[in-house]
Amino acid sequence: GAVVSQHPSRVICKSGTSVKIECRSLDFQATTMFWYRQFPKKSLMLMATSNEGSKATYEQGVEKDKFLINHASLTLSTLTVTSAHPEDSSFYICSATLSTGQQGGELFFGEGSRLTVL
Amino acid sequence: AQSVTQLGSHVSVSEGALVLLRCNYSSSVPPYLFWYVQYPNQGLQLLLKYTTGATLVKGINGFEAEFKKSETSFHLTKPSAHMSDAAEYFCAVRRVAGTYKYIFGTGTRLKVLA
Repeated sequence: GAVVSQHPSRVICKSGTSVKIECRSLDFQATTMFWYRQFPKKSLMLMATSNEGSKATYEQGVEKDKFLINHASLTLSTLTVTSAHPEDSSFYICSATLSTGQQGGELFFGEGSRLTVL
Repeated sequence: AQSVTQLGSHVSVSEGALVLLRCNYSSSVPPYLFWYVQYPNQGLQLLLKYTTGATLVKGINGFEAEFKKSETSFHLTKPSAHMSDAAEYFCAVRRVAGTYKYIFGTGTRLKVLA
């Protein structure tokens, strides 16, 4: 199956700093990537939909200035948590979808990135 | 609007016993349906999916699920639980056409007892 890689898997930062998380589709081109946030013992909350070459579409209640998403190429999307605060600590997961083919529409998930803001 | 309900946030079964994880969906038209598994501190892995065709879908690791339109259900089963099945399981729906936006259920944590 298609492989999606996230980096870093764990990051600890000080309050007020910014953190960038990368999501790469390793063996396919992903026209659409999704960023999820998962709270402890909770489901995945879709934060935004990222389309290559265009602005991300944010879900209601997600601060676009806080969570900057860039999808500069067909294999890379980045999530930057700006001016991070302890309440931003969470598990962030990206996913990507094949645009065509037999697996069209199936989501492939990255390994997730655990952010801890001190 | 679509929604997914997973009954039971925690399910415990004995090793070798039947696993049944429940998922009901709400959608104006039959959606695509998915089951994903998540191990601690990892992303999600697809177990199986229903798009079209046969309503009984077989997935990896011996899991299967049946799409029942009349009951708007897509329950996940496995005849015999193994210790390695202990994980969090998520049911998800997606519209057939248009956006690839997925809606996930709240998850069911499966515990397998020795």
